[in-house]
Amino acid sequence: GALVYQYPRRTICKSGTSMRMECQAVGFQATSVAWYRQSPQKTFELIALSTVNSAIKYEQNFTQEKFPISHPNLSFSSMTVLNAYLEDRGLYLCGASTGDSDYTFGSGTRLLVI
Amino acid sequence: GQQVQQSPASLVLQEGENAELQCNFSSTATRLQWFYQRPGGSLVSLLYNPSGTKHTGRLTSTTVTKERRSSLHISSSQTTDSGTYFCAMELPSGSWQLIFGSGTQLTVMP
Repeated sequence: GALVYQYPRRTICKSGTSMRMECQAVGFQATSVAWYRQSPQKTFELIALSTVNSAIKYEQNFTQEKFPISHPNLSFSSMTVLNAYLEDRGLYLCGASTGDSDYTFGSGTRLLVI
Repeated sequence: GQQVQQSPASLVLQEGENAELQCNFSSTATRLQWFYQRPGGSLVSLLYNPSGTKHTGRLTSTTVTKERRSSLHISSSQTTDSGTYFCAMELPSGSWQLIFGSGTQLTVMP
């Protein structure tokens, strides 16, 4: 079956530092990878959508300078949160799709900023 | 305005009762997917149902595309069903971008 592994599961970083999270698709080709953030008490906000062989599209309020994403092949994607501050805390989810199927999500990376 | 609206925001049931969750979307959706978020945060796909009715276990989803709504019915609820349920839709632009509703918090009491 289609699985998405996401790591680390949780991480703590000091304010102003950066952290990288990774997303691995197993059992299918992740043509499209979407990164979401769930801030405390909120729903999921789309950060950016990455499609292999296309430019990464960032949503309003999210930039490449702050959340650089790499999607080098059909099984892997990573996102870095640069200069993390308190407002960046939350659960970060990656979801992957072949483009013709539903999305499969990883378990998320919970980021705590201190 | 919000493109995906879920109701109710929260629901409390006794074990064994049925739950009905609603999802309304503001434009024609090409994908409609229901998710369950575990208390720890991980997101589990429950049903992918862009149209019609689909069943899996105690879950039934009915999506009426023309009326821009979808429902998730949970029969004979159990305490382990407690958590937050999200519906998410994809815009018809083919962007593969899912837009999430704000979720329904379900609590099933023993």
